[in-house]
Amino acid sequence: RKEVEQDPGPFNVPEGATVAFNCTYSNSASQSFFWYRQDCRKEPKLLMSVYSSGNEDGRFTAQLNRASQYISLLIRDSKLSDSATYLCVVNDYKLSFGAGTTVTVRA
Amino acid sequence: EAGVTQFPSHSVIEKGQTVTLRCDPISGHDNLYWYRRVMGKEIKFLLHFVKESKQDESGMPNNRFLAERTGGTYSTLKVQPAELEDSGVYFCASSPQGGEQFFGPGTRLTVL
Repeated sequence: RKEVEQDPGPFNVPEGATVAFNCTYSNSASQSFFWYRQDCRKEPKLLMSVYSSGNEDGRFTAQLNRASQYISLLIRDSKLSDSATYLCVVNDYKLSFGAGTTVTVRA
Repeated sequence: EAGVTQFPSHSVIEKGQTVTLRCDPISGHDNLYWYRRVMGKEIKFLLHFVKESKQDESGMPNNRFLAERTGGTYSTLKVQPAELEDSGVYFCASSPQGGEQFFGPGTRLTVL
């Protein structure tokens, strides 16, 4: 079983739409979680941490369900610039990455 | 402030040859990590240095891979001899103690 499993998408949405996707992780002892963003042929960059109570950063909302070992990311009011691959990451001091969810926002 | 830099950005070599990748972490970051993404797969951890010491090399695929970080500054990752399945993008990341990992732009390795 993979350490982190993600819906690969792709999600193709119009500007202004809301898009949500999730991942599951296998290690029930994991404590630290992130969403990274990766643009085509670029390095991953931290988008936001994921906290147990859920957290928002502007148009982005992350949720964590420890009981189900499930993490989600919701993007509201999608912009063209949100087009990217979103990586679900579990931090057990070394990072374990999901394969990524591709989001394309169209005009 | 300069970010993590990696050299070369691309490398194309033939099977059996040797390649050395270099990573310069952000100044002052004691932690340095190597990761790899092979085609169609997720990014995978290779190893972790704290200063010049290998903290965890559990992700190194086999003994054809050798990483060093002499003096606790830059790091090299040597592949000798390279095989076809070594093709992929090799990322380096650095972090301060307990802090965010910042990734370099990666080295795209193609083994023919």
